[in-house]
Amino acid sequence: EAQVTQNPRYLITVTGKKLTVTCSQNMNHEYMSWYRQDPGLGLRQIYYSMNVEVTDKGDVPEGYKVSRKEKRNFPLILESPSPNQTSLYFCASSSGQGAAKNIQYFGAGTRLSVL
Amino acid sequence: SQKIEQNSEALNIQEGKTATLTCNYTNYSPAYLQWYRQDPGRGPVFLLLIRENEKEKRKERLKVTFDTTLKQSLFHITASQPADSATYLCASHWDSSYKLIFGSGTRLLVRP
Repeated sequence: EAQVTQNPRYLITVTGKKLTVTCSQNMNHEYMSWYRQDPGLGLRQIYYSMNVEVTDKGDVPEGYKVSRKEKRNFPLILESPSPNQTSLYFCASSSGQGAAKNIQYFGAGTRLSVL
Repeated sequence: SQKIEQNSEALNIQEGKTATLTCNYTNYSPAYLQWYRQDPGRGPVFLLLIRENEKEKRKERLKVTFDTTLKQSLFHITASQPADSATYLCASHWDSSYKLIFGSGTRLLVRP
């Protein structure tokens, strides 16, 4: 089954404790992206990647890191989480090919609480 | 700055009626508009994509329009059903860019 898998689904942590949210896709997609979703603000892009070792900042990259060492994986790293990073996070992938290149396939989401 | 706006108030309609949701964009001209459905606690699911040179796109009970003069996209669900109750998101992007801008979504409630 074609899917984007994020882990964990729920995470409670404390300020300053480094964490990683993993994301993996099995569709051989070129593009991958991380979003955060907050009430009233909608989905905002954090980082995206066009291919292995190619990443770029989205709208709200501060406080986040990403890496794309393999095509299928795109982990999101919070080196020193703060309470304002409490949010619902989504990983997404898209083919990067043709007219449908930007159609996003989303994971199920990771709800993060930073205390 | 580039903005895409959707009505933040929930749309409450009777089963069988047509639901119409609006997406307005300002300060830019996207080449594509996409619509997604999001159920509580789940990731958005793609529904339809429309290009700037297309006036209308249909898929089963769904129809999307793209009016570049009004800078607006309308999303219609005909013969609505309670199972259509969800939040609907619009998103825009340019042809050469991977950057997507999402609206904050409109919640649709279809009463039986």
